[in-house]
Amino acid sequence: QKEVEQNSGPLSVPEGAIASLNCTYSDRGSQSFFWYRQYSGKSPELIMFIYSNGDKEDGRFTAQLNKASQYVSLLIRDSQPSDSATYLCAVNIEYGNKLVFGAGTILRVKS
Amino acid sequence: SAVISQKPSRDICQRGTSLTIQCQVDSQVTMMFWYRQQPGQSLTLIATANQGSEATYESGFVIDKFPISRPNLTFSTLTVSNMSPEDSSIYLCSTPGTDYNEQFFGPGTRLTVL
Repeated sequence: QKEVEQNSGPLSVPEGAIASLNCTYSDRGSQSFFWYRQYSGKSPELIMFIYSNGDKEDGRFTAQLNKASQYVSLLIRDSQPSDSATYLCAVNIEYGNKLVFGAGTILRVKS
Repeated sequence: SAVISQKPSRDICQRGTSLTIQCQVDSQVTMMFWYRQQPGQSLTLIATANQGSEATYESGFVIDKFPISRPNLTFSTLTVSNMSPEDSSIYLCSTPGTDYNEQFFGPGTRLTVL
């Protein structure tokens, strides 16, 4: 069973701080890793994806991948109350876009 | 990314009935997927909707319960058959983006079964 694990939270950070969200996965053959944001009552919205070991930055978001440790993270700099949502980690388990999702981490940014 | 729409956006149904959910994409896409998100849970892949052939179902999901149609490259339907309260979920369709490994979701159909 291919699994993706996330801490369910909630993770609470003050406005302006860095939020760090973590994810581990079980399938060493996984090649693509995704972070989605989901507001309550809405569908998931793709924030970032990463394929290669290291960091990938997009605005206030940085995804970090370590395939040897089977670990992927998302850093949100200068967190805003509007960042409060559930963040879903997803892993592409085989070519063809099949995604396995983690349970999600609830992030709360307090003003 | 393609624009994805779903109908209905929500519905309340009685036990034992069936509901067909439609997914429309504004451009031709090779692959379409159906996911389920049960209350308080994450997303689980139900099946891959293949154009011109039968859908490919994931473990735990069967065609008799979740029949899928894919008549062309822009449209798919998912039917939830003989519903029970355990089928109360959000059902989402998704398609790849320009980067083939990206995947984007429709707005979802929120189903409540009484």
